[in-house]
Amino acid sequence: DAGITQSPRHKVTETGTPVTLRCHQTENHRYMYWYRQDPGHGLRLIHYSYGVKDTDKGEVSDGYSVSRSKTEDFLLTLESATSSQTSVYFCATQGNYGYTFGSGTRLTVV
Amino acid sequence: SQQGEEDPQALSIQEGENATMNCSYKTSINNLQWYRQNSGRGLVHLILIRSNEREKHSGRLRVTLDTSKKSSSLLITASRAADTASYFCATDASGSNYKLTFGKGTLLTVNP
Repeated sequence: DAGITQSPRHKVTETGTPVTLRCHQTENHRYMYWYRQDPGHGLRLIHYSYGVKDTDKGEVSDGYSVSRSKTEDFLLTLESATSSQTSVYFCATQGNYGYTFGSGTRLTVV
Repeated sequence: SQQGEEDPQALSIQEGENATMNCSYKTSINNLQWYRQNSGRGLVHLILIRSNEREKHSGRLRVTLDTSKKSSSLLITASRAADTASYFCATDASGSNYKLTFGKGTLLTVNP
């Protein structure tokens, strides 16, 4: 997963707490994405960004917000974590021939 | 909503055999892409085929696209145990602003 780093790799948090996941890229790609992956659902788009401070919602955006203050960084915030947000979260960037994905963040909400 | 749907959901073959996975989608597309995911890892881009292309090759991979049937297939020839992974198709729908919609994937197991 050269060029994209997600942090943390694993996190356990309590219901009701805010959580922020970070995606950092060194590719200087304009487009960045946050997906969640759940058994039986595949990957679903949460939010995406088409430039600094330019973001938009995906198909499962409720309960999530994002920010992009620099080209390199795209943050995903769970405003008040719920058990239904237990998932594996992937960040991706759009390159010339397709997406490059990070290694994922496994989030457990207890 | 799932744009692409892979078929079969799971496939088990012996090393050396060919593996074929299919993908169907619903709307017009700019391109269709295939990705591989090894257990516990991120997705890796395999191949992209544009809507005006019918077939593409990359090493042991062959992808076909039939826009009239809204379907694509991924063929892996002479499979190896290391090909064991989940394979996803993803569509870049027309007007989607570079957002990919992924299917649920095909789990391929290649037995030594």
